[in-house]
Amino acid sequence: GESVGLHLPTLSVQEGDNSIINCAYSNSASDYFIWYKQESGKGPQFIIDIRSNMDKRQGQRVTVLLNKTVKHLSLQIAATQPGDSAVYFCAEKYSGNTGKLIFGQGTTLQVKP
Amino acid sequence: ETGVTQSPTHLIKTRGQQVTLRCSSQSGHNTVSWYQQALGQGPQFIFQYYREEENGRGNFPPRFSGLQFPNYSSELNVNALELDDSALYLCASSLKGVSYEQYFGPGTRLTVT
Repeated sequence: GESVGLHLPTLSVQEGDNSIINCAYSNSASDYFIWYKQESGKGPQFIIDIRSNMDKRQGQRVTVLLNKTVKHLSLQIAATQPGDSAVYFCAEKYSGNTGKLIFGQGTTLQVKP
Repeated sequence: ETGVTQSPTHLIKTRGQQVTLRCSSQSGHNTVSWYQQALGQGPQFIFQYYREEENGRGNFPPRFSGLQFPNYSSELNVNALELDDSALYLCASSLKGVSYEQYFGPGTRLTVT
């Protein structure tokens, strides 16, 4: 069905540690993936994206890894900071012309000082 | 901030009433997508508008309708409101043909009583 699942609902990490948030997607035909961060009371904020023809993409303190063999996506955050505390969503786009994004349920990241 | 604005920020309606939500897209963007986000869930795609026409629709009944105007702003209309329509309604703008990145506004919190 249309679903993008996340393995853990809540992730708690110590400030300064690296965080890894995982995501399993169901549609092998998806050609584009995005990670969003959503803070309380705000709309989702774009973090990083990756196309299906790539395995890895790096941004500022963040890295997204895509494993198409097992339909798995992960977001790595280096040196996690208190400001990183939020809900993180992965989303996939099926191949085709529309920009419909399918979101997962989200993982809450808690950063302990 | 993404430059995507939505109004109103909060709204309370009674079951059976109609509601109109508004969205102004980021400067230079030509496509608007609408999502419904229930509490504790990921956003669910409602529909997308491009060149003032619907360009893809999710699993929402016809009482959810929309418009896009020549300046690319958009409206979401919901008729015959039901209690389950209570949610955060998000719009996201993008530049079709250039990128799949979607930038979200802060949302409108709709409560149906």
